[in-house]
Amino acid sequence: EAGVVQSPRYKIIEKKQPVAFWCNPISGHNTLYWYRQNLGQGPELLIRYENEEAVDDSQLPKDRFSAERLKGVDSTLKIQPAELGDSAVYLCASSPGRAGSSTGELFFGEGSRLTVL
Amino acid sequence: ILNVEQSPQSLHVQEGDSTNFTCSFPSSNFYALHWYRWETAKSPEALFVMTLNGDEKKKGRISATLNTKEGYSYLYIKGSQPEDSATYLCAFVPGAGSYQLTFGKGTKLSVIP
Repeated sequence: EAGVVQSPRYKIIEKKQPVAFWCNPISGHNTLYWYRQNLGQGPELLIRYENEEAVDDSQLPKDRFSAERLKGVDSTLKIQPAELGDSAVYLCASSPGRAGSSTGELFFGEGSRLTVL
Repeated sequence: ILNVEQSPQSLHVQEGDSTNFTCSFPSSNFYALHWYRWETAKSPEALFVMTLNGDEKKKGRISATLNTKEGYSYLYIKGSQPEDSATYLCAFVPGAGSYQLTFGKGTKLSVIP
């Protein structure tokens, strides 16, 4: 079974440029998460989807970040314009169940490392 | 903001040594605790999802225990191998039926051959 696929793996851009990340979750996983990991920190949730609905986007900086999950499968995360502080690893994860259940473990992609110059 | 603390931040052990590290989390409104292993240039991989006080889980040489009343979990690695080198993350889940995970900063383990 294919795992969570993310692209690009690495992206270097100048500040004020736009950038987009793509995620293909595991087939059948209705829950999709986008996390951001800054250097030396744990992953922090940006947005969670249930199918195509964004059910938790309280920590998404909406002035410059946007996300979508068309048809409840693939998802894209966009930053426009990027700032120096956006340099981080952006992780996508999917899950077949609630985080507290025995089937709630997250399956992560390899992440997209963004460097903003 | 939920406080999930992991210690130590990093450690180096010799191959063959056993080691352990700690995840501390709020003892109130506990629902579950996750452990993940994140090797460099790979995806974070789930090790355990723990839900019951006193729970002990094992996968090969790695095991974990859970104390929800005092708010901590230990991860043990027996006979560390170089391939165990990774960052180990714990994540706390509050509230029944929650999807919300709060991650600690991780413990970075380096096993020296």
